[in-house]
Amino acid sequence: AQRVTQPEKLLSVFKGAPVELKCNYSYSGSPELFWYVQYSRQRLQLLLRHISRESIKGFTADLNKGETSFHLKKPFAQEEDSAMYYCAPPENPISSGSARQLTFGSGTQLTVLP
Amino acid sequence: EAQVTQNPRYLITVTGKKLTVTCSQNMNHEYMSWYRQDPGLGLRQIYYSMNVEVTDKGDVPEGYKVSRKEKRNFPLILESPSPNQTSLYFCASSRPAGARDTQYFGPGTRLTVL
Repeated sequence: AQRVTQPEKLLSVFKGAPVELKCNYSYSGSPELFWYVQYSRQRLQLLLRHISRESIKGFTADLNKGETSFHLKKPFAQEEDSAMYYCAPPENPISSGSARQLTFGSGTQLTVLP
Repeated sequence: EAQVTQNPRYLITVTGKKLTVTCSQNMNHEYMSWYRQDPGLGLRQIYYSMNVEVTDKGDVPEGYKVSRKEKRNFPLILESPSPNQTSLYFCASSRPAGARDTQYFGPGTRLTVL
């Protein structure tokens, strides 16, 4: 079955330090991966998707097919980056027909310390 | 304003008392889904719907029901709530591309079952 793994439940870095949130996937084919962010007391929102190759709030994510990874990176973390981050894969390829089950990673809580 | 709304935002109930959490979107999205968010477990999909009258199980459907009689609404029904359903629930929607497209999330419903 397809899996997305976020190995770190908690991650703390100091302000100004680089940050990398890991996401690994097990999926054959051409994945379309997303990163969602949830700030304290707010709803989840899209941070970026690999297909658009954007940089949002200084974050980037490169799809590495060789390592099956889609790590989220930022060179200089800010306190306002403290949030829960979720990696999200494409639909479950095992699902039949047009049915599309979506399975998020378990999330990484990032804390940026002053 | 394009948005996903949920009601109620907070609910405390007792075991066995049927309840419904409503979800509505005004973006004409085909795809809608329900998630529960639990500490350490991240975001897990309960049910999803590709279109009106088309629903399917996610990762954790036990104890829940859904219906999709209209495109804009996707209520979550707990026929006989139990304490292990105490959680934070999110509804989400996206365009016809389904899980390949950006998910728009509601603000969340915090449910406590005593």
